[in-house]
Amino acid sequence: DGGITQSPKYLFRKEGQNVTLSCEQNLNHDAMYWYRQDPGQGLRLIYYSQIVNDFQKGDIAEGYSVSREKKESFPLTVTSAQKNPTAFYLCASSIRDRFYGYTFGSGTRLTVV
Amino acid sequence: AQTVTQSQPEMSVQEAETVTLSCTYDTSENNYYLFWYKQPPSRQMILVIRQEAYKQQNATENRFSVNFQKAAKSFSLKISDSQLGDTAMYFCAFMKRGTNFGNEKLTFGTGTRLTIIP
Repeated sequence: DGGITQSPKYLFRKEGQNVTLSCEQNLNHDAMYWYRQDPGQGLRLIYYSQIVNDFQKGDIAEGYSVSREKKESFPLTVTSAQKNPTAFYLCASSIRDRFYGYTFGSGTRLTVV
Repeated sequence: AQTVTQSQPEMSVQEAETVTLSCTYDTSENNYYLFWYKQPPSRQMILVIRQEAYKQQNATENRFSVNFQKAAKSFSLKISDSQLGDTAMYFCAFMKRGTNFGNEKLTFGTGTRLTIIP
């Protein structure tokens, strides 16, 4: 079955360390997105990519970095510059006609201690 | 920039009853799409229903329907014959339709936590 796989489901890191969240899709979707979810704040866009080797900042990109070397993969790195990294992170993808909405992964809960 | 407002942080309803979740949005665009997503305790985001702004007819998907009032910029979700499996966070979302991909992103509201009581 096609879908989006995010790993790991839970991630713990010490403060000051960089950490990379994985997102892989086998839907042959062109576009991919990273959202951050915090209680009471809904989903906020971190980065998005329309095609391989191209990506743009979303609304809260500071302290994050991404790459898009393959169509199927869009990893997110949470750097030590992100002041409050503990959150739930959701990856999503869409076909070129993205007006039908996004398909989401099951998320990664990152806790920084 | 577009904004989406969900003014009901939490709601609860008895099983089999009907419940309406509110959503308003602010935009100067005329061509856009609106969505309702459901996030159950598993935290998987699931698309519930989608509305195209240029269509006057309200979208319906089985027990889920919307009341789209374009002039009022309102997009409420009605769940009929509510079931225990409807317990979830519900997010309203907006997407502008344009020619620049960079402007066509989903903007979400803060969500409404719905609990169906047995």
